Amino acid sequence: NAGVTQTPKFQVLKTGQSMTLQCAQDMNHNSMYWYRQDPGMGLRLIYYSASEGTTDKGEVPNGYNVSRLNKREFSLRLESAAPSQTSVYFCASSPTVGEQFFGPGTRLTVL
Amino acid sequence: KNQVEQSPQSLIILEGKNCTLQCNYTVSPFSNLRWYKQDTGRGPVSLTIMTFSENTKSNGRYTATLDADTKQSSLHITASQLSDSASYICVVSAQTGANNLFFGTGTRLTVIP
Repeated sequence: NAGVTQTPKFQVLKTGQSMTLQCAQDMNHNSMYWYRQDPGMGLRLIYYSASEGTTDKGEVPNGYNVSRLNKREFSLRLESAAPSQTSVYFCASSPTVGEQFFGPGTRLTVL
Repeated sequence: KNQVEQSPQSLIILEGKNCTLQCNYTVSPFSNLRWYKQDTGRGPVSLTIMTFSENTKSNGRYTATLDADTKQSSLHITASQLSDSASYICVVSAQTGANNLFFGTGTRLTVIP
């Protein structure tokens, strides 16, 4: 089992460009999450999906959109990237109740 | 306000020595507390979970303690190894609320030879 996979691993964007971060899990988990991690700050929840077909805002949703494409896949889209969105993005999945399993992260730099 | 605070922010120890990391929380109602290890350039990985009724739990050289009365947890690492160099994150779950996980900012541990 690959667990949680994320693509791309690294990305550099110019201000105003758009992109989609992809996430997939093969553990048959119901819930999936997107976090960002900035130096000196804890992981902050952007959006989550408690089950296929549902998505909800987390702590810092502004500037992002998500799509729960199916049970396996949960994507994060930046429509118009800003330098403040430079961060490391982590996708995670979990059973309805239980441990979250994290992907390896995507390092995004917005110039 | 639900918060998780960790100390110290960073720590440097010699290989073979022991160390203890602290986590204080104000999350209520409390469900459980997890310690995660995050190696540089990787996602966090769960080390242990503590529920309300548990005081101590070990995972190899890692021992976590929980005092639910004082809302404190500690992670003790015995006989440290170079591979223990990582960030250790305390995550507290509340019983209620759809967005019910609260993350500490982590302790950055460096083990030097």
